[in-house]
Amino acid sequence: SYDLTQPPSVSVSPGQTASIPCSGDKLGDKYACWYQQKPGQSPVLVIYQDNKRPSGIPERFSGSNSGNTATLTISGTQAMDESDYYCQAWDSSTVVFGGGTKLTVL
Amino acid sequence: QLQLQESGPGLATPSETLSLSCTVSGGSISSSSYYWGWIRQPPGKGLEWIGSIHYSGTTYYNPSLKSRIAIFVDTSKNRFSLRLSAVTAADTAFYYCARVAYIRSSWTGFDYWGQGTLVTVSP
Repeated sequence: SYDLTQPPSVSVSPGQTASIPCSGDKLGDKYACWYQQKPGQSPVLVIYQDNKRPSGIPERFSGSNSGNTATLTISGTQAMDESDYYCQAWDSSTVVFGGGTKLTVL
Repeated sequence: QLQLQESGPGLATPSETLSLSCTVSGGSISSSSYYWGWIRQPPGKGLEWIGSIHYSGTTYYNPSLKSRIAIFVDTSKNRFSLRLSAVTAADTAFYYCARVAYIRSSWTGFDYWGQGTLVTVSP
């Protein structure tokens, strides 16, 4: 089975840039998505097809995907960005999620 | 505005079959560009994809759950449903339904989600 690996936690200071990696074998050959999930809420899609932002998602969210690593980047991180973030990829037509990363803004 | 709403029992007994439904409002489940999926999340843990279905009946299942799951669609009621057999405590989780687009032979992401429903498996 295909696996995606994320660090359990990432910390960032307000106003700085946060980078959350997601690694998987030849992940760059697949499309990656990213979801933000706040406590008690459903996940929200913030990036799809590696680097596309859905309508309503702030421009400070961006994504990249190359080699074995996809990265979610949050520029000018705000306190409201403190959340769990999950990467997701398509392995043929099956869905794989990473284990999630808790982003702390402090 | 598209909305998805899960429904089903909040409690299940070990070894029984769990049935959940997701009713779609504000849009048609019969759109050719979309698949409809089930994702679950044990309390305090990560997301796990269960499976996805197209209104035509095409399904994709998580290989680790495939022997225990069935997903089917009822276009007349604009809803899709999940059956999970032989449940155990490990199946205790929030169960979400969600929509994903498949456009020009490429998948996007799950862009609309239900609020989720907690299912507890306990004797």
